[in-house]
Amino acid sequence: KAGVTQTPRYLIKTRGQQVTLSCSPISGHRSVSWYQQTPGQGLQFLFEYFSETQRNKGNFPGRFSGRQFSNSRSEMNVSTLELGDSALYLCASSSLITETQYFGPGTRLLVL
Amino acid sequence: DQQVKQNSPSLSVQEGRISILNCDYTNSMFDYFLWYKKYPAEGPTFLISISSIKDKNEDGRFTVFLNKSAKHLSLHIVPSQPGDSAVYFCAANLRGFGNEKLTFGTGTRLTIIP
Repeated sequence: KAGVTQTPRYLIKTRGQQVTLSCSPISGHRSVSWYQQTPGQGLQFLFEYFSETQRNKGNFPGRFSGRQFSNSRSEMNVSTLELGDSALYLCASSSLITETQYFGPGTRLLVL
Repeated sequence: DQQVKQNSPSLSVQEGRISILNCDYTNSMFDYFLWYKKYPAEGPTFLISISSIKDKNEDGRFTVFLNKSAKHLSLHIVPSQPGDSAVYFCAANLRGFGNEKLTFGTGTRLTIIP
């Protein structure tokens, strides 16, 4: 089976812009979670989607949003980018059977 | 509030010896624990997990031990190999339908010395 894929792998944006990141889960996995990794805060949970519904949300401002499509692919959007949004954004997928989250390679976002 | 803690930011071990990475948690409701290995600029790679109903789980060179009364888990790697050099994260979860939120520790950088 192919693993979790994320696009793009690298992005450079400027403050105030918005960005959309994409994640394709492992085939058959219906749960997709998003995490932010920064040197200062480590790996922080953003939100999780299952069957096109957001089930869990972390402590991030409303500028961070996401959605999931009927094929389980997910997108994450960050509006009005700030310098502090520079991070590695990771997507993970899981199934009710495996109960383990498998991560994609991440999207490295740099906000200038 | 750091619910999952890895108090050793780094660890160096000679090749062939045992590496022991430790993790403590505060939330007694956590019932599923995982270890991930991470290289820079890559996503975490799942290594091994353990349910709270067990106290040990083995997979090849990797063994995870769980001490629920102490709220402590550890990852043993035997024998350690140069390719094991990476950052290791422990993570905890409250399983059950509707919860896929992993709480991560801050990571331990393991360096295997040839």
